[in-house]
Amino acid sequence: DAKTTQPNSMESNEEEPVHLPCNHSTISGTDYIHWYRQLPSQGPEYVIHGLTSNVNNRMASLAIAEDRKSSTLILHRATLRDAAVYYCILRDNFNKFYFGSGTKLNVKP
Amino acid sequence: DAGVIQSPRHEVTEMGQEVTLRCKPISGHDYLFWYRQTMMRGLELLIYFNNNVPIDDSGMPEDRFSAKMPNASFSTLKIQPSEPRDSAVYFCASSFWGNNQPQHFGDGTRLSIL
Repeated sequence: DAKTTQPNSMESNEEEPVHLPCNHSTISGTDYIHWYRQLPSQGPEYVIHGLTSNVNNRMASLAIAEDRKSSTLILHRATLRDAAVYYCILRDNFNKFYFGSGTKLNVKP
Repeated sequence: DAGVIQSPRHEVTEMGQEVTLRCKPISGHDYLFWYRQTMMRGLELLIYFNNNVPIDDSGMPEDRFSAKMPNASFSTLKIQPSEPRDSAVYFCASSFWGNNQPQHFGDGTRLSIL
């Protein structure tokens, strides 16, 4: 019962910004929005998370819509190493994660 | 800092055999999660523990699957008897309490049942 919807794939040019969208229209007031990425043959890796306000860290930025029904992960300058599957996930009060199908990001040199 | 450690990294065995996957979570983490990943179904949560106690095992596919956490630093996922459709990558993850806490994943065990 995935609670998030993401495009199956996206493509970007190296050193350009990338905006990865996610819809979560059934989000509850206490669900946190987490983003993970998974490189080939590795486990998912934490990228960023937020509740209501936009968030920045060294890896990315997270923009959350005012109604919280959607969010966007922003990679400011994509590199070839950013090619991965990106998952937008909700974590509820019971500490369960709901993984969707993710967006496969392809970065072109 | 050691991350989540899973063993073995790869396992190939014949149908009907017992399979045991192992996980050492990050020290101090309250929660431990077991996931299965396949091309068809993506990442699925199988079971998770809080302070060594199973909280939700609704994702465990069948009675052939069982998981234990005898102490805070060790967990096992067992399949007995194994079947070819159990072939997948199995991930273990751990985290602190709180829905603002990230999960830290191991590198997974790639299981092939012949």
